Amino acid sequence: GAGVSQSPRYKVAKRGQDVALRCDPISGHVSLFWYQQALGQGPEFLTYFQNEAQLDKSGLPSDRFFAERPEGSVSTLKIQRTQQEDSAVYLCASSLALRVSRTDTQYFGPGTRLTVL
Amino acid sequence: GNSVTQMEGPVTLSEEAFLTINCTYTATGYPSLFWYVQYPGEGLQLLLKATKADDKGSNKGFEATYRKETTSFHLEKGSVQVSDSAVYFCALGTTSGTYKYIFGTGTRLKVLA
Repeated sequence: GAGVSQSPRYKVAKRGQDVALRCDPISGHVSLFWYQQALGQGPEFLTYFQNEAQLDKSGLPSDRFFAERPEGSVSTLKIQRTQQEDSAVYLCASSLALRVSRTDTQYFGPGTRLTVL
Repeated sequence: GNSVTQMEGPVTLSEEAFLTINCTYTATGYPSLFWYVQYPGEGLQLLLKATKADDKGSNKGFEATYRKETTSFHLEKGSVQVSDSAVYFCALGTTSGTYKYIFGTGTRLKVLA
């Protein structure tokens, strides 16, 4: 597609529910990133995929957060037993290179705004 | 460690005024630097970038120069328009481990007609 797409754009969950957020990267982009953006803050790194391999999950805040990219294209970020502190915008980004380097640019999707009541 | 510090907003300007949004960074190694813009209801869009010292990134009338000696990457525009109203994020690309972005907290710009 023309850009990174994410769905749903808005999600409201009751505390304790599980949610799944989807990211469709730009076609052919090898690298995929998830970021969390709390209200009034800049995005913070969650996890990184190179094709289907999850190479870095150091930013995931707890074991309730799980991400996958089984076929190396679409990715899903799953949050189990949601808590109010999980309320944020979840951003997906992709980049072309196999080995990301300092000259690479990440292209961001519109984000999914998650509100946990 | 790596960090980015941006000037606090909101910044309110009249149309055609000069804009500066300050950004300084702390990094291990030699990072690339970026400015992203987020318009209301939209995702982050790359505005400009610079990958080495003294590089000047420019786009849509915005400019920023990579200053290694002052660890800064200030965003400037000579004459802002109402359509420039948005949130601007400064970011660096890390230089060790996973290449990821470290963002500042963002600066909201409001331009009045």
